[in-house]
Amino acid sequence: EAGVAQSPRYKIIEKRQSVAFWCNPISGHATLYWYQQILGQGPKLLIQFQNNGVVDDSQLPKDRFSAERLKGVDSTLKIQPAKLEDSAVYLCASSLSGGFSYNEQFFGPGTRLTVL
Amino acid sequence: GESVGLHLPTLSVQEGDNSIINCAYSNSASDYFIWYKQESGKGPQFIIDIRSNMDKRQGQRVTVLLNKTVKHLSLQIAATQPGDSAVYFCAEIPSGGYQKVTFGTGTKLQVIP
Repeated sequence: EAGVAQSPRYKIIEKRQSVAFWCNPISGHATLYWYQQILGQGPKLLIQFQNNGVVDDSQLPKDRFSAERLKGVDSTLKIQPAKLEDSAVYLCASSLSGGFSYNEQFFGPGTRLTVL
Repeated sequence: GESVGLHLPTLSVQEGDNSIINCAYSNSASDYFIWYKQESGKGPQFIIDIRSNMDKRQGQRVTVLLNKTVKHLSLQIAATQPGDSAVYFCAEIPSGGYQKVTFGTGTKLQVIP
């Protein structure tokens, strides 16, 4: 079974530039998550989709970050414009369901973003 | 807000010995507690979980203990191997809502051959 795919694996940009990350979840997984992991810290949830609807985006900096999940499958996360403090690994995860019962989340390898 | 934390940032263990990684949590209303393993360049990988109505759960070479009285979670790894070297995160899922996983800051386990 294929895992969660993410691209690119690495990205270096200058501050104030824009960047986009792509995620393809495990086939059949209804729930998709984007996490930000700053070096030395645990992942922090940015946004959670259930199919193509947003369940939780309370920690998403909406002035610069946006995410979409068209057709309830692939997802893109965009930062516009980027700041130095956005340097982190951006992890995508998926699970069968993200409702009121626990389902294991499967993580992709992440995209390491460096903002200069 | 509520958070999950760890006591030790780095743990060095001799190969073959047992490892114990500790975690303190603050949200007494959490339903699930999870341990993840994250190797360099990879995403977190589920190891084992435990529900809040349990005290202990065992897997293959791993045991998770939950002490709700002092809000403490631990991961025990038996006969630690070089492949166990990684960063370990505890995480919690609150009850009563969508499964929003809150991660701690992680403990780096170094296995000495």
